[in-house]
Amino acid sequence: AQKITQTQPGMFVQEKEAVTLDCTYDTSDQSYGLFWYKQPSSGEMIFLIYQGSYDEQNATEGRYSLNFQKARKSANLVISASQLGDSAMYFCAIPSGGSYIPTFGRGTSLIVHP
Amino acid sequence: DSGVTQTPKHLITATGQRVTLRCSPRSGDLSVYWYQQSLDQGLQFLIQYYNGEERAKGNILERFSAQQFPDLHSELNLSSLELGDSALYFCASSGGPGRRAEAFFGQGTRLTVV
Repeated sequence: AQKITQTQPGMFVQEKEAVTLDCTYDTSDQSYGLFWYKQPSSGEMIFLIYQGSYDEQNATEGRYSLNFQKARKSANLVISASQLGDSAMYFCAIPSGGSYIPTFGRGTSLIVHP
Repeated sequence: DSGVTQTPKHLITATGQRVTLRCSPRSGDLSVYWYQQSLDQGLQFLIQYYNGEERAKGNILERFSAQQFPDLHSELNLSSLELGDSALYFCASSGGPGRRAEAFFGQGTRLTVV
């Protein structure tokens, strides 16, 4: 079964600085995808970025990028130029099983200080 | 806007009661997932439907049931409610021809059982 581990319960960063949120995963699948979601205090789950296991380049979406290291089974999210609105919970997820059910980690709480 | 619509946003009900949560997936998405998010359990997968049929079950209690209708909207029925059922319930959708596996979430229904 797929498993996601997010070891940082909480992270703090100064506004305008970059921050890396860690995610390691375990899967027996050869082909898979990894996703990151953001959950602000309002509660909604916002899809941020996707990385396919066979993608040759690390995924980027605006200020979000993935530091994907397949051999280490890690897919860390890098947020550049942090903004106050980035304060939220961040979840890493991997599809499980033939039905691609997203399996989530416990999340990392990010607080951006002015 | 994820394109996934959940109603109602908030629900307060008494123990022993029954409630129905509604979800309209993104246009063209065939898979609907239901998740429960509580502080101590994180994001727990409950059940998945694909094109009207139950595809996978997770940690769903027998008091809970779901269905997906021909127009692909889905309902999650929670009965004999207990205080511990208070949580944020998410619907997500994904899938469909030519689409990637990432799931898009609705804004959630915050259920409070008193």
